[in-house]
Amino acid sequence: DGGITQSPKYLFRKEGQNVTLSCEQNLNHDAMYWYRQDPGQGLRLIYYSQIVNDFQKGDIAEGYSVSREKKESFPLTVTSAQKNPTAFYLCASSTPGQKLTQYFGPGTRLTVL
Amino acid sequence: GDSVTQMEGPVTLSEEAFLTINCTYTATGYPSLFWYVQYPGEGLQLLLKATKADDKGSNKGFEATYRKETTSFHLEKGSVQVSDSAVYFCALEKSDSWGKLQFGAGTQVVVTP
Repeated sequence: DGGITQSPKYLFRKEGQNVTLSCEQNLNHDAMYWYRQDPGQGLRLIYYSQIVNDFQKGDIAEGYSVSREKKESFPLTVTSAQKNPTAFYLCASSTPGQKLTQYFGPGTRLTVL
Repeated sequence: GDSVTQMEGPVTLSEEAFLTINCTYTATGYPSLFWYVQYPGEGLQLLLKATKADDKGSNKGFEATYRKETTSFHLEKGSVQVSDSAVYFCALEKSDSWGKLQFGAGTQVVVTP
């Protein structure tokens, strides 16, 4: 079955540590996205990538970094510069022919201890 | 900038009741409109979409009509079930934004037996 996988489902980190969240898709989609979700709020775009080796900042990119070395992978690193990293992180993908529809992964819940 | 406003939740109703979740938007041009649903601890699933004025999206008994004159995309279901309990997000995508979505804050729906 095609889809988007995110790992791990739950992640704990100590303050001051960087952590990388995985996102893999086998839908052959060109575009991938990272969102952050906080309780009672909608999703906010962190970074997006329209094609391999290219990515753009979203609305809340500070304290985050990404890479897009392969079409199917778009890992997100939460750095120690992110002041309030505890949140639910969602990865999504879409393809130009169906770019109106984003498909979401199951999410990773990050907790900073 | 673009924005999406949803009615605040939680919305609590009994099984078989009628559900309406209001959604209005602000955008220039003619954005595509979406409703996504999020079940507890999961990612988002596309529920329905509409790409132009007067389009009606429908899926699983849910419907929403793209009303340009009132800049609205209200979600309705005639008879809800306990399994419809979830958070519902309204979102828009501008035609020139290459797949970027602007989400509302989400509306939690709780259906009781």
